[in-house]
Amino acid sequence: SQQGEEDPQALSIQEGENATMNCSYKTSINNLQWYRQNSGRGLVHLILIRSNEREKHSGRLRVTLDTSKKSSSLLITASRAADTASYFCATDARGAGKSTFGDGTTLTVKP
Amino acid sequence: EAQVTQNPRYLITVTGKKLTVTCSQNMNHEYMSWYRQDPGLGLRQIYYSMNVEVTDKGDVPEGYKVSRKEKRNFPLILESPSPNQTSLYFCASSPDNSGANVLTFGAGSRLTVL
Repeated sequence: SQQGEEDPQALSIQEGENATMNCSYKTSINNLQWYRQNSGRGLVHLILIRSNEREKHSGRLRVTLDTSKKSSSLLITASRAADTASYFCATDARGAGKSTFGDGTTLTVKP
Repeated sequence: EAQVTQNPRYLITVTGKKLTVTCSQNMNHEYMSWYRQDPGLGLRQIYYSMNVEVTDKGDVPEGYKVSRKEKRNFPLILESPSPNQTSLYFCASSPDNSGANVLTFGAGSRLTVL
C-alpha cells in the first residue's frame, strides 16, 4: 500500500486564495518531499523537509511536518491559475532506499 | 541541460511483443528509478538502482526487468507485455540515496498494450 496519502483528492479555489493540501504517512521517515505535476507530464520537485524540521518556506510555498502525527501540509499562498496541477508528497523511509509517493491532490485555480 | 530522457514517449504495442523503454540521465546520478502512474493509484515504484550493477524491486516489479550496466542508463524491459501494463511510465534519478533523494523526472512514456 502507498506510504503517503494526500487529502483532499481534489481542490478547487479562486485565484488569490490560499490552497492547503495534507499528506499522511505510515512509517518513520528521513525526509518528506512535495512534487508538482502538470497534466500528464513529469513531476517537478518543489520542496524537501527533513524529519528534524517542523516548517520550511520557499517563495509562496510553506510546508509543515508533524512527525508525531505522521503528517505534513503544503500551503500555497496567493494562488495563481498557473498553480493548477497535481501535487504529490513523497517519503523516504529510513533504510528503505526508495521514495514512495501518495496518490496526489489535484488543484484547480480558477482565474 | 541537465535532464532525464525517456524513449519512446508514446507506444502502442500488442500482447506478448517484447519492448524496452530507455532512460538516460546526464547528471552523473547514482540513483535511478522507474515508476508507473495509473488513475486513482498514484505513482508506484517498479524497480530502482542505487548504483551500477545494483538493482532492487520496488512495489510492483512483476512483469518487468531492468538493468544498470552503465551509470547513465536504466532501461525498463517488458519481456511479454500484457494489457494490465498499459500505463504512464516515469524514469527518475537523483544524486544518491544517502538521505535527500530529490528526484529529477523524465517526461514520461505512455504505453498502451492491446
